Amino acid sequence: GNSVTQMEGPVTLSEEAFLTINCTYTATGYPSLFWYVQYPGEGLQLLLKATKADDKGSNKGFEATYRKETTSFHLEKGSVQVSDSAVYFCALRLNTGTASKLTFGTGTRLQVTL
Amino acid sequence: DTAVSQTPKYLVTQMGNDKSIKCEQNLGHDTMYWYKQDSKKFLKIMFSYNNKELIINETVPNRFSPKSPDKAHLNLHINSLELGDSAVYFCASSRTGSGDEQFFGPGTRLTVL
Repeated sequence: GNSVTQMEGPVTLSEEAFLTINCTYTATGYPSLFWYVQYPGEGLQLLLKATKADDKGSNKGFEATYRKETTSFHLEKGSVQVSDSAVYFCALRLNTGTASKLTFGTGTRLQVTL
Repeated sequence: DTAVSQTPKYLVTQMGNDKSIKCEQNLGHDTMYWYKQDSKKFLKIMFSYNNKELIINETVPNRFSPKSPDKAHLNLHINSLELGDSAVYFCASSRTGSGDEQFFGPGTRLTVL
């Protein structure tokens, strides 16, 4: 089956530190890969995505590269801010005809302190 | 303007009751979804409708019944609520069912006592 594995949190960093959240996947076929962010009390928002191998998704200083050889899509940011504190979800999507569904990882909570 | 809205935001109820959660999207999308997020933040799809037609139905107890009166609305009705139904339920929508970005609502926190 399809699955996504994320590093367990919480991840606690000081402001301006470098962030890496690991994500690996298992899929039959060629999935699209996503990072979603959930700020406290809110729904999920798409942060970035990559639809094929070697694509790099980027947004708001966050980046992730689709690595087919290692089945990974690690999220990175060079300098985190307090406002980045949230839960981050890695997800994959496989299209099957008219239906496509997201399979999520368990989420990684990031806490950034001053 | 809110793109995907859900009501209520919080729902506290007793075991055995029947309750509904409503979802509306004003994005003109054809496809809507319900996801369940448990206490450990694990998020899993429950249902998906495309133009009022059920296209995804994961292994969900039949106490859960989605209803789509039109393609802008997807409501979730839950019969005979159980303690294990306590979770945050998210509605989402996408332009089509195959490959477009999904936009999520703010969630409904259901607590069953």
